[in-house]
Amino acid sequence: GAVVSQHPSWVICKSGTSVKIECRSLDFQATTMFWYRQFPKQSLMLMATSNEGSKATYEQGVEKDKFLINHASLTLSTLTVTSAHPEDSSFYICSASPGTSGQDTQYFGPGTRLTVL
Amino acid sequence: GQQLNQSPQSMFIQEGEDVSMNCTSSSIFNTWLWYKQDPGEGPVLLIALYKAGELTSNGRLTAQFGITRKDSFLNISASIPSDVGIYFCAVSNSGYALNFGKGTSLLVTP
Repeated sequence: GAVVSQHPSWVICKSGTSVKIECRSLDFQATTMFWYRQFPKQSLMLMATSNEGSKATYEQGVEKDKFLINHASLTLSTLTVTSAHPEDSSFYICSASPGTSGQDTQYFGPGTRLTVL
Repeated sequence: GQQLNQSPQSMFIQEGEDVSMNCTSSSIFNTWLWYKQDPGEGPVLLIALYKAGELTSNGRLTAQFGITRKDSFLNISASIPSDVGIYFCAVSNSGYALNFGKGTSLLVTP
């Protein structure tokens, strides 16, 4: 149980285009979903936290107009990288949490490798 | 976010050896987690620690939540080649947003 999927697993796009990444909790309802970014040989950095039905909370330095997050249902959150540029190339990983307790585990997706040419 | 100091940065060991890595913070956290990440994959939770002083095992893995709530260690006994990967500690307080350490890269030779 507690499986989180991401689609696509990798994507290559041209500079200036937008890319949408989906994160799904397959066997549980995710009250909260998180989006992380990981550059090569670095740690995961939290980008934003989203709760179903409300606006995402972005970390300092993350442009909310560039990284659009939608959490319209309890099993799906999407991250859209708008007007992508080469510096946006990274490994984007989502995680999902089933509840509202501080002890709820985050289950991570397999990640999406974005390459912007 | 709060800075976590994770050490060592990398380890190169022989199969069968025991491994120890740790994570420290200048701030108190109520939850300490250890994850393993294989190349091109998302992190997989190994052990979760919620009580100061707690010692928890998961197979060959053992982790402890420091009594001061500012540190944790992870031990791997009798390492095997599939233990290769990057191990991250992560912490959180009242919310769920995790702050990750920089990771310990583990290489195991047969």
